[in-house]
Amino acid sequence: EEQLVESGGDLVQPGGSLRLSCEASGFKFSTYAMSWVRQVPGKGLEWVSTITRSGDKTYYANSVNGRFTISRDNSKSTLSLQMNSLRAEDTAVYYCANSPGWLPIGWFFDVWGRGTPVTVSS
Amino acid sequence: QSVLTQPPSVSGAPGQRVTISCTGSSSNIGPTHDVHWYQQLPGTAPKLLIYGNNNRPSGVPDRFSGSKSGTSGSLAITGLQAEDEADYYCQSYDTSLGWVFGGGTKLTVL
Repeated sequence: EEQLVESGGDLVQPGGSLRLSCEASGFKFSTYAMSWVRQVPGKGLEWVSTITRSGDKTYYANSVNGRFTISRDNSKSTLSLQMNSLRAEDTAVYYCANSPGWLPIGWFFDVWGRGTPVTVSS
Repeated sequence: QSVLTQPPSVSGAPGQRVTISCTGSSSNIGPTHDVHWYQQLPGTAPKLLIYGNNNRPSGVPDRFSGSKSGTSGSLAITGLQAEDEADYYCQSYDTSLGWVFGGGTKLTVL
């Protein structure tokens, strides 16, 4: 069974840092692009960041560019999101998801994890 | 305000057919950018429902179908069931913004 399990969500003060992780199982991790998508409770979905299969290219939403860093370790089937300079508006549930296919413009989010909550508050 | 526009809510009685629209622009939904749809049941993670405009992943009932015309996409649900009550999101790729979602549509089964 294809599965993604996020971890690392926590309560953090504004300006602080947090590192999220996503462990993959049941599929060949290195053959999928991987992404983070977040959702403020009661609100809609927002794409955050995507990394290509090999990790050679990364993409970020304008709202997190320069503050968040996505990375992956294909040998460990893990995806990470380093979040710095956190703001109250970063409070959300963060999901990781995989994307099949070669072309970024065609990527959709196939398998999703259950999410990990991040709260930024003093 | 989302780049892709969806109606906030739709409703229908059991057995009926409902459609959810997703309106974009030339920078996202278009000849080369597909529309994808997700279902989010209350308290759960989103689930892929339709990909590539009109393709259903394994396990998704054929009551769900998708289409695209111009810069808009549409999700149709026939034979509405109580278990279909959920939030539905469309998604595409925007040449300036990256991967974008609609604001979501809450489906109520009357």
